Amino acid sequence: DAGITQSPRHKVTETGTPVTLRCHQTENHRYMYWYRQDPGHGLRLIHYSYGVKDTDKGEVSDGYSVSRSKTEDFLLTLESATSSQTSVYFCAISPDSGTEAFFGQGTRLTVV
Amino acid sequence: KQEVTQIPAALSVPEGENLVLNCSFTDSAIYNLQWFRQDPGKGLTSLLLIQSSQREQTSGRLNASLDKSSGRSTLYIAASQPGDSATYLCALSGGSYIPTFGRGTSLIVHP
Repeated sequence: DAGITQSPRHKVTETGTPVTLRCHQTENHRYMYWYRQDPGHGLRLIHYSYGVKDTDKGEVSDGYSVSRSKTEDFLLTLESATSSQTSVYFCAISPDSGTEAFFGQGTRLTVV
Repeated sequence: KQEVTQIPAALSVPEGENLVLNCSFTDSAIYNLQWFRQDPGKGLTSLLLIQSSQREQTSGRLNASLDKSSGRSTLYIAASQPGDSATYLCALSGGSYIPTFGRGTSLIVHP
């Protein structure tokens, strides 16, 4: 496996609380991505980063923010969790734009 | 906006069959196409990457082809085995270079 670690792997949280998911890589790859995977929708891009402090929105970015203060860490924050954000969240990395992407094992988030 | 479609959504075959999974896309201006495998409850494992200048890539029993003019890629699995049972996803990187995914084909290979 590429050196990608997502934490936590599972989380249950209450509606209205903030939640932060962490993606840590040891590959020194430039690009990092956050996707969510839901039945009937497949994988959808939330945010991505193309360098330290360089981020951009994806298809489903509302209600999410990200930060990348170091090459190896990409944080996804749900500012005020809602039940619609119950999902499996995947982090991915790639050396550069348009190169092979590698995925983490996912974080299963349940908002009750 | 790039649309990626995978057909069939589900497939069940007996062991030993050769099979083809399809991935079609609407915008031929792609940079690369990547096939992944996902086991239940797991992350995605990269299988093959085809650059836009390439026609196909092979890895073991897997062969992926790319035809940009027709907006299609196929993943060919030779001599299927029960261990091949998984969901197979294709992802395209276009002008934004960000992978856009199809919804996958769920494959079951029964003994």
